[in-house]
Amino acid sequence: EVQLVESGGGLVQPGGSLKLSCAASGFTFSGSAIHWVRQASGKGLEWVGRIRTKPNNYGTTYDASVKGRFTISRDDSNNMAYLQMNSLKTEDTAVYYCIRHQYSSSSGDWFDPWGQGTLVTVSS
Amino acid sequence: SSELTQDPAVSVALGQTVRITCQGDSLRNFYASWYQQKPGQAPVVVIYGKNNRPSGIPDRFSGSSSGNTASLTITGAQAEDEADYYCNSRDTSGNCWVFGGGTKLTVL
Repeated sequence: EVQLVESGGGLVQPGGSLKLSCAASGFTFSGSAIHWVRQASGKGLEWVGRIRTKPNNYGTTYDASVKGRFTISRDDSNNMAYLQMNSLKTEDTAVYYCIRHQYSSSSGDWFDPWGQGTLVTVSS
Repeated sequence: SSELTQDPAVSVALGQTVRITCQGDSLRNFYASWYQQKPGQAPVVVIYGKNNRPSGIPDRFSGSSSGNTASLTITGAQAEDEADYYCNSRDTSGNCWVFGGGTKLTVL
């Protein structure tokens, strides 16, 4: 079964840091780009960023709202992806999902599967 | 970056057809994908590409696109289709992604 499992969420004070983990199984992790998406309670989905594969130099891109504060990394040897979050703000409070990026030249991009999400609460 | 615009809420009578739309400049160059999210659950892809359904998605779900607008159509809506639906695509730069604001579908 193709699966992604996030962990590491919790309560952190404004200005603090937190590192989320994403454990992948059931597919060739090293061959897939990984994205992070978040969702504040009662709100819509917000794309956070992505990390590409080794042949693409592990390139990363981020939404403007987190650029310079968040860093995505991966460990292909252990089928893990990470989201390092620094200088956290109250508005970063959300459920964070990691997702496998799928792509084909004929169908474009899609995200599947999604993890179950991990809750990050930024509050004093 | 660019934005994707969706109607916040749409309703449909049980068994009828409903279309959920998504508008944005990037859709002229990139396909949209569509995600269904039920309360307390992670989103699930229902349509991607020109009109592709992942295995397990009923064939009452279909997709289409014209110009800057992508559409998700549910033909013969069922009670279990009541959910939030989100479109997603790359932004106009092609290096970032963006979600629509979501459409809450109510099946009457």
